[in-house]
Amino acid sequence: QSALTQPPSASGSPGQSVTISCTGTSSDIGDKKSVSWYRRHPGEAPKLLIFEVNKRPSGVPDRFSGSKSGNTASLTVSGLQADDEAEYFCCSYAGTNNYVVFGGGTKLTVL
Amino acid sequence: QVQLQESGPGLVKPSETLSLMCTVSGDGISDYYWNWIRQPPGKGLEWIGYAHIGVVRNTESSNYNPSLKSRVTVSADGPNNQFSLKVKSVTAADTAVYYCAREVCSGGSCYLDLWGQGTTVIVSS
Repeated sequence: QSALTQPPSASGSPGQSVTISCTGTSSDIGDKKSVSWYRRHPGEAPKLLIFEVNKRPSGVPDRFSGSKSGNTASLTVSGLQADDEAEYFCCSYAGTNNYVVFGGGTKLTVL
Repeated sequence: QVQLQESGPGLVKPSETLSLMCTVSGDGISDYYWNWIRQPPGKGLEWIGYAHIGVVRNTESSNYNPSLKSRVTVSADGPNNQFSLKVKSVTAADTAVYYCAREVCSGGSCYLDLWGQGTTVIVSS
């Protein structure tokens, strides 16, 4: 069982928007600005999409956006494209020793 | 372009030591945190631990998942741009895809900005 809770699946049609949630506790997401999101296509290395809750690395399109409210972080993918079909997972840190914790992953299907 | 590549045996016998290496190309490894993460079949990602080489005084530090701390060692080899993972006394529960990843910390925020493709390790006799 993962420390952070994500829905196992999500879906949307091309061009639509989808939001994926990531729920933790006041000891991790609720207490940290280190919330990040990643995308992983089968057999490939995970790719960083969002860091520090809502910042995008260079090269990541603004179709990807992040937010946080209380103990829940969210990733929104706008203008869905076929290539967005992948697994998405969230990451934060827990406790005073800042242990890395992950969500269980959400399989996004583009209909 | 910085790249990470995991390497090591894909099959390990129960009770033996699992050893993996991550080779970093395109940049040095000082002043970053070098992590190992794994994903057992059908389960979520699990952080294993990191090694960090400081630029000042070339000191090395590490941090581990409390649930694995007694069995794992992560160490960095600065001159060879590599870092390694050792897991002692493995069981079938250690069967997983193992990833290496670079962690960046800046302004009070940390994140894993680069990952390897992952390598599958099966524990079986």
